Amino acid sequence: NAGVTQTPKFRILKIGQSMTLQCTQDMNHNYMYWYRQDPGMGLKLIYYSVGAGITDKGEVPNGYNVSRSTTEDFPLRLELAAPSQTSVYFCAVRISGGAYNSPLHFGNGTRLTVT
Amino acid sequence: QKEVEQNSGPLSVPEGAIASLNCTYSDRGSQSFFWYRQYSGKSPELIMFIYSNGDKEDGRFTAQLNKASQYVSLLIRDSQPSDSATYLCAVNQAGTALIFGKGTTLSVSS
Repeated sequence: NAGVTQTPKFRILKIGQSMTLQCTQDMNHNYMYWYRQDPGMGLKLIYYSVGAGITDKGEVPNGYNVSRSTTEDFPLRLELAAPSQTSVYFCAVRISGGAYNSPLHFGNGTRLTVT
Repeated sequence: QKEVEQNSGPLSVPEGAIASLNCTYSDRGSQSFFWYRQYSGKSPELIMFIYSNGDKEDGRFTAQLNKASQYVSLLIRDSQPSDSATYLCAVNQAGTALIFGKGTTLSVSS
């Protein structure tokens, strides 16, 4: 997906476990995003970053943490996984030079199940 | 709470017909609008974006924007079975992120 790589593709966690969802881009874009998508629902913003060292909360940040130490990487951390975090997670970058009104481009997603 | 509303469908049209997908948004200050297509189990892919009032055409797709009515639509002409997917409307929120509707499922029958 044009330079946005997410790993792993699938993961099953037990309640209370933790994990990190990885997102890497090779296009040197500043703006990166994490969304989650529940079945039959649209995408909800978890966290976003406008550049290395800068992150901010989205609509549904509880239970998640992020860091942005480099331009390329924007990992999403789940601590104490709960069944409510069962979802598909998409990482995205803002393309076209990062202009505020430009589209987002998505990675292939990580499908997470918490049981 | 800024919102983007879409009819969840399913919207069923025969092959060759025009499919019309609609979206309304609550933030009057929104300035950029996007349509994404999402096949089952896949990530969203950009189809169209529109910034100005009026129509924007790209092949079989036309996006229409009416800022006064806070309404954006997507027309798909000569619909094909391969157009069967969920279509997500997204609105730019204050230059930070996109807010997405829940999507409309389109089914094109041959």
